[in-house]
Amino acid sequence: NAGVTQTPKFQVLKTGQSMTLQCAQDMNHEYMSWYRQDPGMGLRLIHYSVGAGITDQGEVPNGYNVSRSTTEDFPLRLLSAAPSQTSVYFCASSYGRGGTDTQYFGPGTRLTVL
Amino acid sequence: AQKITQTQPGMFVQEKEAVTLDCTYDTSDQSYGLFWYKQPSSGEMIFLIYQGSYDEQNATEGRYSLNFQKARKSANLVISASQLGDSAMYFCAMRLYTGGFKTIFGAGTRLFVKA
Repeated sequence: NAGVTQTPKFQVLKTGQSMTLQCAQDMNHEYMSWYRQDPGMGLRLIHYSVGAGITDQGEVPNGYNVSRSTTEDFPLRLLSAAPSQTSVYFCASSYGRGGTDTQYFGPGTRLTVL
Repeated sequence: AQKITQTQPGMFVQEKEAVTLDCTYDTSDQSYGLFWYKQPSSGEMIFLIYQGSYDEQNATEGRYSLNFQKARKSANLVISASQLGDSAMYFCAMRLYTGGFKTIFGAGTRLFVKA
């Protein structure tokens, strides 16, 4: 059971380049989220999804797009990378509301934009 | 405003002693969940403990317990019998169930366990 996987682990981009961070989970979770973590800070929500075909914005959505065509995958697209997007990106998933509703996190992608 | 506040940027504790990491939250929602996560230097996020807003008993998971005081809006993490491997960053988080599906994180507390 792989849990939540993210690729790549590290990425360096030049300003203006675009790329997609991949996230997949094999736990049949409905809820998936993308966060960014900047040095000395907690995680901030970028986008989230409550099921295939349904996405919504979090706290810091500007410069990012998401889609959710399957339950398993939730890619995050950077449209035109900027140095301010240098961060560690975490994908997370959870089964549903109520109960322990624990979020399981992927290992993270460390992105540097030059 | 919905917010998580962790007022201790760093904490030191002697090995084998207990330590309390503070967390206060702000929300007008009646239904919410509170979580603690550990982030070691390797960077992964590890779930520790969960408390639902309607749970009357404080949550416990092994050496971790959550001191939930609803009226004070506090959800402090207590780690008993600290171990060197407990040295890490600890984040308090709040899951909201209305107006969308969002989890808000605090800025974290870095815990140092001394031998």
